[in-house]
Amino acid sequence: GAVVSQHPSWVICKSGTSVKIECRSLDFQATTMFWYRQFPKQSLMLMATSNEGSKATYEQGVEKDKFLINHASLTLSTLTVTSAHPEDSSFYICSASLPPYQETQYFGPGTRLLVL
Amino acid sequence: LAKTTQPISMDSYEGQEVNITCSHNNIATNDYITWYQQFPSQGPRFIIQGYKTKVTNEVASLFIPADRKSSTLSLPRVSLSDTAVYYCLVGGPYSSASKIIFGSGTRLSIRP
Repeated sequence: GAVVSQHPSWVICKSGTSVKIECRSLDFQATTMFWYRQFPKQSLMLMATSNEGSKATYEQGVEKDKFLINHASLTLSTLTVTSAHPEDSSFYICSASLPPYQETQYFGPGTRLLVL
Repeated sequence: LAKTTQPISMDSYEGQEVNITCSHNNIATNDYITWYQQFPSQGPRFIIQGYKTKVTNEVASLFIPADRKSSTLSLPRVSLSDTAVYYCLVGGPYSSASKIIFGSGTRLSIRP
């Protein structure tokens, strides 16, 4: 149980285009999902907290207009990187906490984004 | 939010027991201690979680002293496939009000 999937697993796009990454909780409902970014040889950095049915909460320094987050259902959250630039190239990972106690995070497999 | 401190790297050999210690001096009363394993280009994988004393599962043991200011992940008889980065995370329950801060992690290298 507690499986989180991401799609796509990797994507290459041209500079200036937008890319959407999906995060799904496959066997449980997640009222809260989290989005992270990880650069090579570095730790995970929390970008935003995605709440079902409401606006996402962004961490300081993360541009909400560039990284659009939508959490339309209890099993799906999406991250859209708008007008992507090469510096947005990174490994994006989502996670969800398992109700009801929510003391454990379960992570998706990650999405590798390369912006040319 | 409790910050964690771990050794940056550790080396060991196949068949050995490996212990990775994490320091979390500011742990809160309702915080859990969770360890994750991450391989390159993959999301972190849950290993073990505990609140106090000792927890054991099929892959690892977690030792937590009474003051809960540190914890030790113990991997028995490691193999080459245990080469990965190990993260100690303190917090929870994770909700819209939670903040999650990953530390640097410990890069464990296992040699034949």
